[in-house]
Amino acid sequence: GENVEQHPSTLSVQEGDSAVIKCTYSDSASNYFPWYKQELGKRPQLIIDIRSNVGEKKDQRIAVTLNKTAKHFSLHITETQPEDSAVYFCAALLFTGRRALTFGSGTRLQVQP
Amino acid sequence: GAVVSQHPSRVICKSGTSVKIECRSLDFQATTMFWYRQFPKKSLMLMATSNEGSKATYEQGVEKDKFLINHASLTLSTLTVTSAHPEDSSFYICSARDRAGGLYFGEGSWLTVV
Repeated sequence: GENVEQHPSTLSVQEGDSAVIKCTYSDSASNYFPWYKQELGKRPQLIIDIRSNVGEKKDQRIAVTLNKTAKHFSLHITETQPEDSAVYFCAALLFTGRRALTFGSGTRLQVQP
Repeated sequence: GAVVSQHPSRVICKSGTSVKIECRSLDFQATTMFWYRQFPKKSLMLMATSNEGSKATYEQGVEKDKFLINHASLTLSTLTVTSAHPEDSSFYICSARDRAGGLYFGEGSWLTVV
């Protein structure tokens, strides 16, 4: 099955700086890579996703890059704000299958004002 | 957008009793539903996959007799924690998949076993 590793586990940045979170996956068949933001006791919120037919996707201050050859993908948040503080999870999935998302271990991002 | 409702949001039960958590897709038919468990400061760990009208598929290490999953219709799946113990206390969250492959999470349920 799929295995997703995520780094770092914690990340502290100053407001306005950029934050980068990296994930690797094991199953080369996976073709869908979402990123979720989760606040304590709440459901994961999809913030951006990417499919294996593109290498990069951007949505305002958030971007995701994918390297299929190396089987890794990264989340980039620019101009961080205190409200970006949360736990972020990457995940991987074979979209056309009936499998569940496999999540990374999570990164706790703290944006210092 | 697609909405998945999960109930109850919080429940406290006594050791040895059973508790049922419901997951409903409100405006779409969920071909598959997934149940996850999340311990504090940990990731979401898949417990089981539930397909409408068939038996659930459990992940390794998850006791199927303890965590009963029923997916009786295309809009409802239930998770029953039987003979609950304090170590079953956790955040349980469901996810539903629509026919287009979209995945949507319920709000989650905090279970505390005392």
